[in-house]
Amino acid sequence: EDQVTQSPEALRLQEGESSSLNCSYTVSGLRGLFWYRQDPGKGPEFLFTLYSAGEEKEKERLKATLTKKESFLHITAPKPEDSATYLCAVQASGGYNKLIFGAGTRLAVHP
Amino acid sequence: SAVISQKPSRDICQRGTSLTIQCQVDSQVTMMFWYRQQPGQSLTLIATANQGSEATYESGFVIDKFPISRPNLTFSTLTVSNMSPEDSSIYLCSADRGPSTDTQYFGPGTRLTVL
Repeated sequence: EDQVTQSPEALRLQEGESSSLNCSYTVSGLRGLFWYRQDPGKGPEFLFTLYSAGEEKEKERLKATLTKKESFLHITAPKPEDSATYLCAVQASGGYNKLIFGAGTRLAVHP
Repeated sequence: SAVISQKPSRDICQRGTSLTIQCQVDSQVTMMFWYRQQPGQSLTLIATANQGSEATYESGFVIDKFPISRPNLTFSTLTVSNMSPEDSSIYLCSADRGPSTDTQYFGPGTRLTVL
């Protein structure tokens, strides 16, 4: 069964304190791994898509990496506005474009 | 990317009634999806809606409870029928331009409370 596990569930950082969020996945064949940001009361906002092991993508203070079993979202020198829930999702190959989501990591960055 | 809007943004409904949620995309898309996000939980796919065909439902979701329409390439509706308090959730619409572009963009969600 395809599955996505995110850790930690919640993370509290001081402004400027870099850290990483983890997304472990089990999927029959990976078509793509997606990272989203979700603010309270809003829909998920697309951040990155990763397709193959070794791939990396960056956007401002965020960098996403992918291995055959997991993905990391690295946050460098975070700011309070980076506070949100970060969601990881996978698409399996051979089927339609269904996303399987993890439970998310709630990030709080304090000044 | 795609800009997606949903109506209503929130509603409070009585047990036993039905609510239809509308999803509008700013451009033509191949696939539209409906997700549920229960309080404090992540997103679970309800069904996939393709224009011109019946929606495909995930395990645990049935058409009688969640009928879906997809009349054209920019619009879809989800109805939550015969509601109970357990249906209180955020309902989210998403779309992608697939099959070659598989990134899904999400609407802002509809927050439903059933009393």
